[in-house]
Amino acid sequence: NAGVTQTPKFQVLKTGQSMTLQCAQDMNHEYMSWYRQDPGMGLRLIHYSVGAGITDQGEVPNGYNVSRSTTEDFPLRLLSAAPSQTSVYFCASSYFAGGYEQYFGPGTRLTVT
Amino acid sequence: GQQVMQIPQYQHVQEGEDFTTYCNSSTTLSNIQWYKQRPGGHPVFLIQLVKSGEVKKQKRLTFQFGEAKKNSSLHITATQTTDVGTYFCAGRRNTDKLIFGTGTRLQVFP
Repeated sequence: NAGVTQTPKFQVLKTGQSMTLQCAQDMNHEYMSWYRQDPGMGLRLIHYSVGAGITDQGEVPNGYNVSRSTTEDFPLRLLSAAPSQTSVYFCASSYFAGGYEQYFGPGTRLTVT
Repeated sequence: GQQVMQIPQYQHVQEGEDFTTYCNSSTTLSNIQWYKQRPGGHPVFLIQLVKSGEVKKQKRLTFQFGEAKKNSSLHITATQTTDVGTYFCAGRRNTDKLIFGTGTRLQVFP
């Protein structure tokens, strides 16, 4: 099993550009989530999904969209990138929503200039 | 804002000294998890606590969940250089959202 994979590993965007961060897992996990990590702020939940076709907002959803058309994939879309979105983005998955170990991907380091 | 706080934010210790990080929530948690993130890496699951007052041990690591299920702690006995990293707690409040704490970065000097 590859576990949780994320692409790209690094990305530089200009303000106003849009892009999609990819996340995939091959463990048949129902629950998937996106976090951003900024110095001193820990990991903040952006969006999450409890299964295919179901998504919900986390703590900091503004400026981001998600969809979950399959169990395996959970892409994160930046609609119009802003410098405040410069961060490291982690995707995570677990068997179900409650009380299960989260498996994290390697992360995407995004810089918006 | 962040509703799960951790203290301290940073801790530098000499190898062999003990280390403790504390996690505090403004509301009752249904369970709490702990993760470790090595520098440049991604968070890795360490343990989960579910019951009020629960204590679990993993070798030199001791995890505790408070009686009111609002706080938790991680204690490392006799730190080693391999313990270097950032330790996060993460909790759920009877919802599907897993909210992470602000993290404690541990540096161990040989």
